[in-house]
Amino acid sequence: DGGITQSPKYLFRKEGQNVTLSCEQNLNHDAMYWYRQDPGQGLRLIYYSQIVNDFQKGDIAEGYSVSREKKESFPLTVTSAQKNPTAFYLCATRLTGGNTIYFGEGSWLTVV
Amino acid sequence: DAKTTQPNSMESNEEEPVHLPCNHSTISGTDYIHWYRQLPSQGPEYVIHGLTSNVNNRMASLAIAEDRKSSTLILHRATLRDAAVYYCILPTYSGGGADGLTFGKGTHLIIQP
Repeated sequence: DGGITQSPKYLFRKEGQNVTLSCEQNLNHDAMYWYRQDPGQGLRLIYYSQIVNDFQKGDIAEGYSVSREKKESFPLTVTSAQKNPTAFYLCATRLTGGNTIYFGEGSWLTVV
Repeated sequence: DAKTTQPNSMESNEEEPVHLPCNHSTISGTDYIHWYRQLPSQGPEYVIHGLTSNVNNRMASLAIAEDRKSSTLILHRATLRDAAVYYCILPTYSGGGADGLTFGKGTHLIIQP
């Protein structure tokens, strides 16, 4: 089944712990993105990657890190440096030359 | 970056048409107008996009003003499943970057049975 898979759907972590959110796609899209969404708010861009082994900071990259070792995978690590990590995290992809962005179903992260 | 302005919320009745407005007065000549919608606790999904001409697909219609400074997403016959947040964006990828990939708060569409 083609698409974007984010895991886990729900994640609880203690304050001070790093946590990694997975994003896998089999759409053969070059560009991948991570967004954060707080309740009742829009989406804010954290990091994006246009090609393997390359990525750029978005608007709110502080406290986050990413890697792009394979075209299919773009994991996001929420580090202990992120002050307010509790949020809904969305991964998205885009085919180079295309205008449409495709989103995964999201991951809810709660830090207690 | 070209920005968009949408009403915070709108309400409509089931089986009636819905017109969702979007203002983008600083749009450039090459900016496409995209609409996405987001159901609760899900990722946004693509609805429709256009450049200059009005566009139709199975989900909705997009009416673009002649000066391109505004557009309207039209749901011809709203159902309860259309209740969602609707985002109007102007994505641009000049230089391969992520310019314009900003999703504001969108319009929260409420459908009354």
